[in-house]
Amino acid sequence: ELKVEQNPLFLSMQEGKNYTIYCNYSTTSDRLYWYRQDPGKSLESLFVLLSNGAVKQEGRLMASLDTKARLSTLHITAAVHDLSATYFCAAEGAQKLVFGQGTRLTINP
Amino acid sequence: GAGVSQSPSNKVTEKGKDVELRCDPISGHTALYWYRQSLGQGLEFLIYFQGNSAPDKSGLPSDRFSAERTGGSVSTLTIQRTQQEDSAVYLCASSLRWLAGGPGSGDTQYFGPGTRLTVL
Repeated sequence: ELKVEQNPLFLSMQEGKNYTIYCNYSTTSDRLYWYRQDPGKSLESLFVLLSNGAVKQEGRLMASLDTKARLSTLHITAAVHDLSATYFCAAEGAQKLVFGQGTRLTINP
Repeated sequence: GAGVSQSPSNKVTEKGKDVELRCDPISGHTALYWYRQSLGQGLEFLIYFQGNSAPDKSGLPSDRFSAERTGGSVSTLTIQRTQQEDSAVYLCASSLRWLAGGPGSGDTQYFGPGTRLTVL
């Protein structure tokens, strides 16, 4: 059974700092997804990682995938307040997506 | 163009009643997905459609849940004999296409605003 774990679950950081959110999954998965959710809002798709070694970047966010380690990371560079949100990763397996618990990111001025 | 829309935005119902939740995907999107988000269970994938067919219904929480999609467009998620544990936000998403490998297909999913279901 595919399981997905994120860490940390809560992250409070200062503007301008760098940090990484980790997403581990338990069984083979060829696709890994990252989403953002603002409070009271729906989900926004951020990245889709399709293969081992895939790296995608959008603004201050960069996601990577290591299928051998069953690990994806979401790296935040020089954080700004607007990035405060909950971030979810999801791995694809057996005709469904399995989500991590989410990482609630708070960026303080 | 319009995004994914869902109706109703909020639904309060009594335990034991049936409810129907509707999703209108982006025009031309062949893949449609249903998810559920609750405090206790987090985000759960329920079911996806390729066109009008749903290849795998095993993600539905119980046999009280059913979903259909007609005309390759609108989808309805029906919950019969609602229970309090069904209370959650039900999210729908669509994407342009999908591949044989499964949901998502590498295409961006666009999410609707969700339907908040409260079962009293």
